[in-house]
Amino acid sequence: DQQVKQNSPSLSVQEGRISILNCDYTNSMFDYFLWYKKYPAEGPTFLISISSIKDKNEDGRFTVFLNKSAKHLSLHIVPSQPGDSAVYFCAASLFLNTNAGKSTFGDGTTLTVKP
Amino acid sequence: NAGVMQNPRHLVRRRGQEARLRCSPMKGHSHVYWYRQLPEEGLKFMVYLQKENIIDESGMPKERFSAEFPKEGPSILRIQQVVRGDSAAYFCASSPPSGSGTGELFFGEGSRLTVL
Repeated sequence: DQQVKQNSPSLSVQEGRISILNCDYTNSMFDYFLWYKKYPAEGPTFLISISSIKDKNEDGRFTVFLNKSAKHLSLHIVPSQPGDSAVYFCAASLFLNTNAGKSTFGDGTTLTVKP
Repeated sequence: NAGVMQNPRHLVRRRGQEARLRCSPMKGHSHVYWYRQLPEEGLKFMVYLQKENIIDESGMPKERFSAEFPKEGPSILRIQQVVRGDSAAYFCASSPPSGSGTGELFFGEGSRLTVL
């Protein structure tokens, strides 16, 4: 039972255009949703997050949208740059009265931005 | 300001041998998580530890796998009698004592285990 799903294994966009990466989840108890970026042979690095009580969070070229009724979130990157080419993981954290959030990850979407 | 340190970066073992993977969290972090990434898959949660305590091991296989985070020294993920299916990238992550507030985890670069 996969609680966080990224249904598109790959996405290819032209430099300067918008990249939209999607993620669906099943557990309505998740507190935060996060996006991580991963280059080959490196660990994931945090990109942006959104609280379950918000519907949008923006940081520079990156915006995350949350639709709780649909249990869906998306990451928008605009304008896309070749350096954005990486694997993007959607994750959801559940605090359950602890200070630390255990995160559940999707399988990732490989983004390729063509010059 | 060192990040999460994992070693070895690459480890080759023959079937039946033991693998030990080490992780030193970021300075000031007391929560450690281990994740496994099988080829072509996402990161799967294995275990969450604090100093001298296993908080959540719901993702650990029932046999051959164990983890510890002693009072002194790094966290260790130990795999006994390795099999080919254990070949994967093992990532360690840490977070501060009070939590990052968002569940953000700080990852190491991973240890890649290859079982021959």
